[in-house]
Amino acid sequence: NAGVTQTPKFQVLKTGQSMTLQCAQDMNHNSMYWYRQDPGMGLRLIYYSASEGTTDKGEVPNGYNVSRLNKREFSLRLESAAPSQTSVYFCASSEPGSGANVLTFGAGSRLTVL
Amino acid sequence: DAKTTQPPSMDCAEGRAANLPCNHSTISGNEYVYWYRQIHSQGPQYIIHGLKNNETNEMASLIITEDRKSSTLILPHATLRDTAVYYCIVRLPRTYKYIFGTGTRLKVLA
Repeated sequence: NAGVTQTPKFQVLKTGQSMTLQCAQDMNHNSMYWYRQDPGMGLRLIYYSASEGTTDKGEVPNGYNVSRLNKREFSLRLESAAPSQTSVYFCASSEPGSGANVLTFGAGSRLTVL
Repeated sequence: DAKTTQPPSMDCAEGRAANLPCNHSTISGNEYVYWYRQIHSQGPQYIIHGLKNNETNEMASLIITEDRKSSTLILPHATLRDTAVYYCIVRLPRTYKYIFGTGTRLKVLA
């Protein structure tokens, strides 16, 4: 099992450009999440999707949009990138019905906005 | 979800037990305590979780005080590979907002 796969692993953008971070999980989890982590900081929740067809804002949603394309895939879009969005982005999934509802994370996508 | 307080950093000698404390004085009766760790810039990794009773798995032990206001993660024989940032999280198991704090940076010394 691959678990949670994120693409791309690295990306450099210019201010104002747009891009989409892709995330796919093969564990049949219902819930998926996007986090960002700035240098020396903890993870902050951007958006989450409790189940296919639903999305909700987390702690820091401004400047981002998400799409839960199907049960496996959850994408994060930056419409007009800003230097403040330079960060490492982590996608995660979990199965709330499993009791523990443990998060499984991807390897991260490192984004630099110039 | 209740807030947690952790020391920003700790050192531990290789081979010794690492005891990482977490304060969660506002925890409610149904909230679980979860521990994750993050090695370098990898995605966080689940370690253990518990509600009231002490828990042990192949990675660590979790000791929760009787009043549930604090807990301790124990790595019984720390190795250099245990050097990481450790996050203590309190949450209801069927909620979706997993909120991470800044964690404890554990450095295992040779």
